Amino acid sequence: AQKITQTQPGMFVQEKEAVTLDCTYDTSDPSYGLFWYKQPSSGEMIFLIYQGSYDQQNATEGRYSLNFQKARKSANLVISASQLGDSAMYFCAMRLSNYQLIWGAGTKLIIKP
Amino acid sequence: EPEVTQTPSHQVTQMGQEVILRCVPISNHLYFYWYRQILGQKVEFLVSFYNNEISEKSEIFDDQFSVERPDGSNFTLKIRSTKLEDSAMYFCASEFSSYNEQFFGPGTRLTVL
Repeated sequence: AQKITQTQPGMFVQEKEAVTLDCTYDTSDPSYGLFWYKQPSSGEMIFLIYQGSYDQQNATEGRYSLNFQKARKSANLVISASQLGDSAMYFCAMRLSNYQLIWGAGTKLIIKP
Repeated sequence: EPEVTQTPSHQVTQMGQEVILRCVPISNHLYFYWYRQILGQKVEFLVSFYNNEISEKSEIFDDQFSVERPDGSNFTLKIRSTKLEDSAMYFCASEFSSYNEQFFGPGTRLTVL
Protein backbone atom coordinates (compact mmCIF):
# COMPACT_ATOMS: atom_id res chain seq x y z
CA ALA A 1 0.00 0.00 0.00
CA GLN A 2 1.20 3.49 -0.80
CA LYS A 3 1.28 5.51 2.37
CA ILE A 4 2.92 8.48 4.05
CA THR A 5 3.11 8.65 7.82
CA GLN A 6 3.89 11.73 9.87
CA THR A 7 3.87 10.69 13.51
CA GLN A 8 4.18 14.13 15.08
CA PRO A 9 0.84 15.94 15.05
CA GLY A 10 2.43 18.98 16.73
CA MET A 11 5.80 20.30 17.82
CA PHE A 12 6.98 23.25 19.87
CA VAL A 13 10.52 24.46 19.23
CA GLN A 14 12.50 27.37 20.63
CA GLU A 15 13.48 30.01 18.11
CA LYS A 16 16.95 29.49 16.57
CA GLU A 17 16.99 25.79 17.42
CA ALA A 18 17.09 23.14 14.72
CA VAL A 19 14.00 20.99 14.26
CA THR A 20 13.44 17.61 12.62
CA LEU A 21 10.04 16.69 11.27
CA ASP A 22 9.55 12.98 10.74
CA CYS A 23 8.19 11.31 7.64
CA THR A 24 8.12 7.64 6.74
CA TYR A 25 6.70 6.19 3.58
CA ASP A 26 5.67 2.92 2.06
CA THR A 27 5.58 2.15 -1.63
CA SER A 28 6.28 -0.69 -4.00
CA ASP A 29 7.22 1.69 -6.82
CA PRO A 30 10.95 1.47 -7.56
CA SER A 31 10.98 5.12 -8.60
CA TYR A 32 9.33 7.79 -6.52
CA GLY A 33 9.83 11.30 -5.24
CA LEU A 34 9.43 12.82 -1.84
CA PHE A 35 8.33 16.39 -1.21
CA TRP A 36 7.89 18.66 1.74
CA TYR A 37 5.39 21.49 1.65
CA LYS A 38 4.70 24.24 4.17
CA GLN A 39 1.17 25.48 4.76
CA PRO A 40 0.95 28.71 6.80
CA SER A 41 -2.29 29.71 8.48
CA SER A 42 -3.21 31.65 5.34
CA GLY A 43 -3.72 28.28 3.64
CA GLU A 44 -1.42 28.33 0.61
CA MET A 45 0.86 25.38 -0.09
CA ILE A 46 4.53 26.30 -0.38
CA PHE A 47 7.09 23.91 -1.84
CA LEU A 48 10.17 23.46 0.33
CA ILE A 49 12.30 20.60 -0.91
CA TYR A 50 12.34 17.52 -3.15
CA GLN A 51 14.23 14.21 -3.00
CA GLY A 52 14.19 11.65 -5.78
CA SER A 53 14.43 8.00 -4.87
CA TYR A 54 17.57 7.59 -6.98
CA ASP A 55 19.29 10.73 -5.74
CA GLN A 56 22.54 9.80 -4.06
CA GLN A 57 22.85 12.91 -1.95
CA ASN A 58 20.41 14.40 0.51
CA ALA A 59 18.58 17.43 -0.85
CA THR A 60 19.25 20.85 0.64
CA GLU A 61 17.55 24.20 0.06
CA GLY A 62 18.84 27.00 2.24
CA ARG A 63 17.84 26.24 5.84
CA TYR A 64 15.98 23.11 4.76
CA SER A 65 17.56 19.73 4.32
CA LEU A 66 16.07 16.32 3.80
CA ASN A 67 17.52 13.40 5.72
CA PHE A 68 16.76 10.62 3.27
CA GLN A 69 17.28 7.07 4.53
CA LYS A 70 16.05 4.81 1.78
CA ALA A 71 16.49 1.52 3.60
CA ARG A 72 14.43 2.83 6.50
CA LYS A 73 11.95 4.49 4.12
CA SER A 74 12.23 7.78 5.91
CA ALA A 75 12.53 11.33 4.59
CA ASN A 76 12.77 13.64 7.54
CA LEU A 77 12.84 17.41 7.08
CA VAL A 78 15.45 19.32 9.04
CA ILE A 79 15.06 23.06 9.53
CA SER A 80 18.18 24.71 10.86
CA ALA A 81 18.09 27.90 12.96
CA SER A 82 14.30 28.05 13.18
CA GLN A 83 12.54 31.39 12.86
CA LEU A 84 9.16 32.61 14.06
CA GLY A 85 7.98 32.63 10.47
CA ASP A 86 8.53 28.87 10.29
CA SER A 87 5.40 28.31 12.38
CA ALA A 88 3.04 26.43 10.05
CA MET A 89 1.74 23.03 9.08
CA TYR A 90 4.31 20.88 7.30
CA PHE A 91 3.28 18.13 4.92
CA CYS A 92 5.35 15.30 3.55
CA ALA A 93 4.15 13.95 0.21
CA MET A 94 5.21 11.13 -2.07
CA ARG A 95 5.04 11.19 -5.86
CA LEU A 96 3.91 7.92 -7.38
CA SER A 97 4.59 6.62 -10.87
CA ASN A 98 1.17 7.92 -11.97
CA TYR A 99 2.29 11.42 -10.91
CA GLN A 100 -0.24 11.92 -8.12
CA LEU A 101 0.95 13.00 -4.70
CA ILE A 102 0.06 10.99 -1.63
CA TRP A 103 0.08 13.19 1.47
CA GLY A 104 0.83 12.71 5.13
CA ALA A 105 -1.44 14.07 7.84
CA GLY A 106 0.92 16.93 8.57
CA THR A 107 2.84 18.28 11.55
CA LYS A 108 1.90 21.59 13.15
CA LEU A 109 5.13 23.36 14.04
CA ILE A 110 5.08 26.26 16.49
CA ILE A 111 8.23 28.28 17.02
CA LYS A 112 8.44 29.90 20.45
CA PRO A 113 10.26 33.25 20.84
CA GLU B 1 7.93 34.82 -10.99
CA PRO B 2 5.17 32.80 -12.66
CA GLU B 3 2.51 31.40 -10.38
CA VAL B 4 -0.66 29.36 -10.41
CA THR B 5 -3.77 31.43 -9.78
CA GLN B 6 -7.19 30.32 -8.63
CA THR B 7 -10.56 32.03 -8.57
CA PRO B 8 -12.60 32.61 -6.57
CA SER B 9 -10.70 32.58 -3.30
CA HIS B 10 -13.90 31.70 -1.43
CA GLN B 11 -17.15 30.30 -2.80
CA VAL B 12 -20.30 29.81 -0.78
CA THR B 13 -23.06 27.74 -2.35
CA GLN B 14 -26.26 25.94 -1.47
CA MET B 15 -26.35 22.18 -1.40
CA GLY B 16 -27.34 20.79 -4.80
CA GLN B 17 -25.97 23.73 -6.75
CA GLU B 18 -23.29 23.47 -9.39
CA VAL B 19 -19.95 25.20 -8.84
CA ILE B 20 -17.01 25.79 -11.13
CA LEU B 21 -13.60 26.39 -9.63
CA ARG B 22 -11.12 28.05 -11.92
CA CYS B 23 -7.37 27.75 -12.15
CA VAL B 24 -4.79 29.29 -14.43
CA PRO B 25 -1.70 27.08 -14.39
CA ILE B 26 1.78 28.30 -15.21
CA SER B 27 1.86 28.81 -18.96
CA ASN B 28 4.45 26.26 -20.09
CA HIS B 29 3.35 23.53 -17.72
CA LEU B 30 1.99 20.29 -19.08
CA TYR B 31 0.54 18.43 -16.11
CA PHE B 32 -2.36 19.69 -14.05
CA TYR B 33 -3.91 18.51 -10.82
CA TRP B 34 -6.74 19.13 -8.43
CA TYR B 35 -6.46 18.32 -4.75
CA ARG B 36 -8.77 19.00 -1.87
CA GLN B 37 -8.20 19.51 1.83
CA ILE B 38 -11.10 19.22 4.24
CA LEU B 39 -10.51 21.55 7.19
CA GLY B 40 -7.95 20.09 9.57
CA GLN B 41 -7.34 17.00 7.46
CA LYS B 42 -4.72 15.84 5.00
CA VAL B 43 -4.59 16.84 1.39
CA GLU B 44 -6.31 14.37 -0.95
CA PHE B 45 -5.63 13.83 -4.62
CA LEU B 46 -8.64 14.24 -6.89
CA VAL B 47 -7.48 14.13 -10.50
CA SER B 48 -4.54 14.61 -12.82
CA PHE B 49 -4.80 15.92 -16.37
CA TYR B 50 -2.34 15.69 -19.21
CA ASN B 51 -2.60 16.11 -22.96
CA ASN B 52 -6.20 17.26 -22.68
CA GLU B 53 -7.44 14.23 -20.86
CA ILE B 54 -7.68 12.80 -17.39
CA SER B 55 -4.65 10.63 -16.70
CA GLU B 56 -5.59 9.52 -13.21
CA LYS B 57 -8.45 10.05 -10.77
CA SER B 58 -9.14 9.03 -7.21
CA GLU B 59 -12.25 7.34 -5.86
CA ILE B 60 -13.35 10.74 -4.54
CA PHE B 61 -13.61 11.97 -8.13
CA ASP B 62 -17.00 10.48 -8.91
CA ASP B 63 -19.55 11.38 -11.57
CA GLN B 64 -20.34 14.66 -9.80
CA PHE B 65 -16.89 15.97 -10.69
CA SER B 66 -15.49 16.94 -14.04
CA VAL B 67 -12.45 18.84 -15.27
CA GLU B 68 -11.86 20.81 -18.39
CA ARG B 69 -9.18 22.85 -20.06
CA PRO B 70 -11.47 24.88 -22.28
CA ASP B 71 -9.10 27.39 -23.84
CA GLY B 72 -5.49 26.31 -23.32
CA SER B 73 -4.99 28.52 -20.28
CA ASN B 74 -7.79 27.83 -17.80
CA PHE B 75 -8.20 24.54 -15.97
CA THR B 76 -11.57 24.12 -14.30
CA LEU B 77 -13.10 21.76 -11.77
CA LYS B 78 -16.87 21.45 -11.89
CA ILE B 79 -18.98 19.92 -9.14
CA ARG B 80 -22.43 19.30 -10.57
CA SER B 81 -24.54 18.95 -7.46
CA THR B 82 -22.67 19.97 -4.34
CA LYS B 83 -23.01 18.11 -1.07
CA LEU B 84 -22.24 19.32 2.42
CA GLU B 85 -19.18 17.08 2.51
CA ASP B 86 -17.73 18.85 -0.52
CA SER B 87 -16.87 21.77 1.76
CA ALA B 88 -13.09 22.00 1.62
CA MET B 89 -10.15 23.92 0.29
CA TYR B 90 -9.52 22.99 -3.33
CA PHE B 91 -6.00 23.36 -4.66
CA CYS B 92 -4.98 23.41 -8.27
CA ALA B 93 -1.38 22.47 -9.11
CA SER B 94 0.69 22.36 -12.26
CA GLU B 95 4.11 21.16 -13.28
CA PHE B 96 6.29 21.25 -16.34
CA SER B 97 7.22 17.58 -16.37
CA SER B 98 7.11 14.56 -14.15
CA TYR B 99 9.39 14.35 -11.12
CA ASN B 100 9.45 18.07 -10.76
CA GLU B 101 7.91 20.34 -8.22
CA GLN B 102 4.16 20.73 -8.40
CA PHE B 103 3.36 24.42 -8.08
CA PHE B 104 0.22 25.01 -6.08
CA GLY B 105 -2.30 27.78 -6.41
CA PRO B 106 -3.54 29.63 -3.32
CA GLY B 107 -6.67 27.49 -3.15
CA THR B 108 -10.42 28.07 -3.29
CA ARG B 109 -12.31 27.61 -0.08
CA LEU B 110 -15.67 26.04 -0.94
CA THR B 111 -18.41 26.21 1.65
CA VAL B 112 -21.59 24.25 0.98
CA LEU B 113 -24.58 25.24 3.11
